[in-house]
Amino acid sequence: GENVEQHPSTLSVQEGDSAVIKCTYSDSASNYFPWYKQELGKRPQLIIDIRSNVGEKKDQRIAVTLNKTAKHFSLHITETQPEDSAVYFCAALTSGTYKYIFGTGTRLKVLA
Amino acid sequence: DGGITQSPKYLFRKEGQNVTLSCEQNLNHDAMYWYRQDPGQGLRLIYYSQIVNDFQKGDIAEGYSVSREKKESFPLTVTSAQKNPTAFYLCASSIRGLGDEQFFGPGTRLTVL
Repeated sequence: GENVEQHPSTLSVQEGDSAVIKCTYSDSASNYFPWYKQELGKRPQLIIDIRSNVGEKKDQRIAVTLNKTAKHFSLHITETQPEDSAVYFCAALTSGTYKYIFGTGTRLKVLA
Repeated sequence: DGGITQSPKYLFRKEGQNVTLSCEQNLNHDAMYWYRQDPGQGLRLIYYSQIVNDFQKGDIAEGYSVSREKKESFPLTVTSAQKNPTAFYLCASSIRGLGDEQFFGPGTRLTVL
């Protein structure tokens, strides 16, 4: 069945450094890839997304890249700040369905 | 926070009891979803509904039931058949159409005593 693998499961970086989280999806028909940030006890919130007809998208300190051939996409956070500390989830939506498949999450800790 | 609400925030249940979690949205979204989240885990799909009076099972539907009588509402019942129901439950909605942002509710934390 459809699957999304996410790595690493935990990531610690120094404030000001960059963080990269990677996801690999199994269904080549997937065409929409959102990234969510979830703070402890709170709801996931969309921080950036990308569609399959685009290779890269950037929003201030956050960027997402997509490699359709390799079926992987990555979240890049530059100039990290303590408030970036949270759990980040990637997801993939298969074309023709409403079913989002989520990765298992990455706990990012930004050390001051 | 997107106009999607869940109640209650915390819920305690005795073993053998059914319990219903509420999810309401005023975003005029057609599609609604229920996910279960366990500590250190991702989101697993329980049920989803694309339109009123229609819903489909997700990956872990056993022991759960839903209804979609109104566009705004998608309640989830956790039945006594669900053997390990203690978890954080998230409801979400999106505009009908594919590749749309999902908006999540604040979640309900269910604990079985």
